[in-house]
Amino acid sequence: AQSVTQPDIHITVSEGASLELRCNYSYGATPYLFWYVQSPGQGLQLLLKYFSGDTLVQGIKGFEAEFKRSQSSFNLRKPSVHWSDAAEYFCAVGSNNDMRFGAGTRLTVKP
Amino acid sequence: NAGVTQTPKFQVLKTGQSMTLQCAQDMNHEYMSWYRQDPGMGLRLIHYSVGAGITDQGEVPNGYNVSRSTTEDFPLRLLSAAPSQTSVYFCASSYDRGQHEQYFGPGTRLTVT
Repeated sequence: AQSVTQPDIHITVSEGASLELRCNYSYGATPYLFWYVQSPGQGLQLLLKYFSGDTLVQGIKGFEAEFKRSQSSFNLRKPSVHWSDAAEYFCAVGSNNDMRFGAGTRLTVKP
Repeated sequence: NAGVTQTPKFQVLKTGQSMTLQCAQDMNHEYMSWYRQDPGMGLRLIHYSVGAGITDQGEVPNGYNVSRSTTEDFPLRLLSAAPSQTSVYFCASSYDRGQHEQYFGPGTRLTVT
């Protein structure tokens, strides 16, 4: 079965700074990769997804992620963080019959 | 479309009580699932269904039952609540289990005393 690791439990960045959230996965074939965001008290919302093709994918709210097969990674990036980006971020890996979520990374944005 | 709806939003139970968490979706998705979210543990799959009349266990099924009599509804039953079931519960739906985006409900925060 596939697995997902988000090495950073909590990250703090200053507003306007760049952001990179790490995600590593374990899966034998090409996975389906997702990033979700969860604002406080809310459900999860899809930011972006990768199935195939261009390894750099664009998502909503100015986020992007890059699939690197050689590193088994799918890191999420944003060039300039806004205070409203403070939330919890989940990476997920899917296959034909399973979906696994990482433990999440909580993002704090300093003014 | 309402998407995925869950009721109630908050619930407090005493140990040993039973209750049902409701989940409904209006997107005609075949796949529905229940997760629990606990601090530092991400989302853990409780039960899932790939269509009406078909359910299966996830990672942490003990103490929970589900049924899927219609495509739209997927209730989660706590048979005899325990403090270890204090958590936030999310229902999700999708076209399938792993290849498409999952749509999440707003969650139910359950406290068992």
